[in-house]
Amino acid sequence: DTAVSQTPKYLVTQMGNDKSIKCEQNLGHDTMYWYKQDSKKFLKIMFSYNNKELIINETVPNRFSPKSPDKAHLNLHINSLELGDSAVYFCASSQQNINSPLHFGNGTRLTVT
Amino acid sequence: KQEVTQIPAALSVPEGENLVLNCSFTDSAIYNLQWFRQDPGKGLTSLLLIQSSQREQTSGRLNASLDKSSGRSTLYIAASQPGDSATYLCAVPGSNYKLTFGKGTLLTVNP
Repeated sequence: DTAVSQTPKYLVTQMGNDKSIKCEQNLGHDTMYWYKQDSKKFLKIMFSYNNKELIINETVPNRFSPKSPDKAHLNLHINSLELGDSAVYFCASSQQNINSPLHFGNGTRLTVT
Repeated sequence: KQEVTQIPAALSVPEGENLVLNCSFTDSAIYNLQWFRQDPGKGLTSLLLIQSSQREQTSGRLNASLDKSSGRSTLYIAASQPGDSATYLCAVPGSNYKLTFGKGTLLTVNP
């Protein structure tokens, strides 16, 4: 019973390509997030959606475009991949309550060559 | 801008030892503080969430304390086990639910 699942687990691609990462949660949460963990293990939020609406959009290149077809899914599409995009990308979800803990997926390790 | 710092960056202890991990934050106007565990190649697992009105939370061998006025939280692990080896992260949310994370403490418990 995976609560937050994201695919693929590993993604290796060349510069300039376009790729997508999918995320689904079966917890009935209202809010979903994308976080990026860089090579120094520092976690930073990229986007947050609540009931399919964007509520947080950090300073992220517009090559990154999240899409939420319904509140259980939040996909991340990346255009024109660059070497610096290599990182681990985590999807997470929570209730729309500031005191609700986040539940994370297992991450997608993206390597751009 | 909220900044979260965790000390030490790495800690190695023998099995059975009690230990304390530290987390400090610069803006004391927080709603809560969350402690997570991250295993290699895995996502984060929520361990404890302390609301701003609370001073501590306990779960099994874990006890987290919060001192808002001094901007500090500690995670106490009793009778450590090799299975506790992981990276422990603390995080605090802003008003828009955006979590600011520390860089974590890498804990190794040696059998």
